[in-house]
Amino acid sequence: AQTVTQSQPEMSVQEAETVTLSCTYDTSESDYYLFWYKQPPSRQMILVIRQEAYKQQNATENRFSVNFQKAAKSFSLKISDSQLGDAAMYFCALNSGNTPLVFGKGTRLSVIA
Amino acid sequence: DTGVSQDPRHKITKRGQNVTFRCDPISEHNRLYWYRQTLGQGPEFLTYFQNEAQLEKSRLLSDRFSAERPKGSFSTLEIQRTEQGDSAMYLCASSFSSGGNYEQYFGPGTRLTVT
Repeated sequence: AQTVTQSQPEMSVQEAETVTLSCTYDTSESDYYLFWYKQPPSRQMILVIRQEAYKQQNATENRFSVNFQKAAKSFSLKISDSQLGDAAMYFCALNSGNTPLVFGKGTRLSVIA
Repeated sequence: DTGVSQDPRHKITKRGQNVTFRCDPISEHNRLYWYRQTLGQGPEFLTYFQNEAQLEKSRLLSDRFSAERPKGSFSTLEIQRTEQGDSAMYLCASSFSSGGNYEQYFGPGTRLTVT
């Protein structure tokens, strides 16, 4: 079975600062994919960034980057230059490609102006 | 590309009633997923389809739940004899099953309240 753990129920960051959200996972698969999804209040979930486990290089998407530590089964999300629009629930998720996602419980991020 | 749509967005029903939700995926996507999200939790997988074939059902999907995707396009999720514990957000997502880009695109969800 695959599991995803997010140990930070809530985080806050000052506007323009950097914040890191933590995620650990467990899987017996050798080929898997990791994702960070953003769910703004009352709005639909959107993909922020994804990482293929076979790739050693950490994924980046503009202000968003990940720190993928395969041996430690850790997958953290760093948000640089935080903006008010970054306030949302962030979910770490895992699957084996084109299979159902397994989600963590989420981290609620607040951005302070 | 109009994205994944779900209908209705909100549903309030009395315990014991049946409800049906609809999901329209992105048109070229052949995989369709249903998830359930309760307050303060991440989404949990319920079932998914490739075209019209239902590939997997979670143990969360009791006998009161049934899902269909009759022509490989839209899907319906029916809950019979609703219970208060069924109150949740029901999310639909779709993806394309080849090409290496397995991103799942989510709809806005249907929020079910059982009174």
